[in-house]
Amino acid sequence: AQSVTQPDARVTVSEGASLQLRCKYSYSATPYLFWYVQYPRQGLQMLLKYYSGDPVVQGVNGFEAEFSKSDSSFHLRKASVHWSDSAVYFCAVSADNNRIFFGDGTQLVVKP
Amino acid sequence: GPKVLQIPSHQIIDMGQMVTLNCDPVSNHLYFYWYKQILGQQMEFLVNFYNGKVMEKSKLFKDQFSVERPDGSYFTLKIQPTALEDSAVYFCASSFHWRAEQFFGPGTRLTVL
Repeated sequence: AQSVTQPDARVTVSEGASLQLRCKYSYSATPYLFWYVQYPRQGLQMLLKYYSGDPVVQGVNGFEAEFSKSDSSFHLRKASVHWSDSAVYFCAVSADNNRIFFGDGTQLVVKP
Repeated sequence: GPKVLQIPSHQIIDMGQMVTLNCDPVSNHLYFYWYKQILGQQMEFLVNFYNGKVMEKSKLFKDQFSVERPDGSYFTLKIQPTALEDSAVYFCASSFHWRAEQFFGPGTRLTVL
């Protein structure tokens, strides 16, 4: 069965610091992996996706993520966060039937 | 970028009543989805819809739920009758292709009293 685990419910970092949000997935076949961000009162917006190929994928606003098959992980990174990055971040995996399975989300708080 | 709209943003109804949640998907998209998120829990897939038909539904998609998109208008989720456990935020999404990026709306918060 497919599942996604985001072990950190809340992460607090200072503006300008680097960021890693962790994600582990469980899926037997080749996964399609996503990171979405949700700002207050808005819909989910996709930051980046991995389908195949280079395990490091670049997304919008300086975000990147690295797929690791051996570790079943898809961690999100950013070299230097901005206060506007404060939001809830969801890791997700898409199954063959096109369902998306979401993690619980990680609340990112960027301190000035 | 492309936007999915959802109307209303918040709906409060009494248990047993019918409710219709409306979704205005991205105009050229062909696949449509509903997801449900109970407060404090994961967002979970309900149903996907293509070419006028439900393609797949989860166990959360009870018999009281139905979806349709008459004549290319709103993609709707109807619950009749509602139950207390239907209180949640319902997210609509659409995509152009199968397994393409799904674009999400901001959600409708449904409160069943």
